[in-house]
Amino acid sequence: DAGVIQSPRHEVTEMGQEVTLRCKPISGHDYLFWYRQTMMRGLELLIYFNNNVPIDDSGMPEDRFSAKMPNASFSTLKIQPSEPRDSAVYFCASSPVVKTDTQYFGPGTRLTVL
Amino acid sequence: TQLLEQSPQFLSIQEGENLTVYCNSSSVFSSLQWYRQEPGEGPVLLVTVVTGGEVKKLKRLTFQFGDARKDSSLHITAAQPGDTGLYLCAGASTDNFNKFYFGSGTKLNVKP
Repeated sequence: DAGVIQSPRHEVTEMGQEVTLRCKPISGHDYLFWYRQTMMRGLELLIYFNNNVPIDDSGMPEDRFSAKMPNASFSTLKIQPSEPRDSAVYFCASSPVVKTDTQYFGPGTRLTVL
Repeated sequence: TQLLEQSPQFLSIQEGENLTVYCNSSSVFSSLQWYRQEPGEGPVLLVTVVTGGEVKKLKRLTFQFGDARKDSSLHITAAQPGDTGLYLCAGASTDNFNKFYFGSGTKLNVKP
């Protein structure tokens, strides 16, 4: 299997612009997680889905952030409008239902908002 | 708010030395995990411990979960340059075992 795929790997944008991050989980995995990693706050869970349904979005920082999972093989995390403090590495992870504590992380998207 | 505190934050040692990394919290976790992350990559799961007092070994790595399930340690024997990386602990909420809280990480550098 190719593992969790994220795109783009790097994104540089200007404040106020819309940013869309993409994730393709491992085939057959029922859980999908979005995390954000910064030096100051470490790795934080933003939201997670089970069978394409958002289960817990309490980690989403504010209304500027939204996440969707239209089908089992694709998810997006959108920031609109983006701000410099959103600069971070965003990770997507997936896990199988039979072993929900085993999360497989993607390579991440490094976002820089100028 | 970080629920898990890791220490030390940085560790630079010579090849062959032993080391211990600590992960502490005032919260109880249903399970605790250790990950290693290399630059430009996502974290990779090393181990999951579930029972208070549990000890697991993975070659030269020994993981222990505290009796009260609030803390954990990772001990590396005879460290090698290949052990270099960021070590993260993550605790699963007792309310939701799918929800993990990550520690701030320990950045380990093993010099040849």
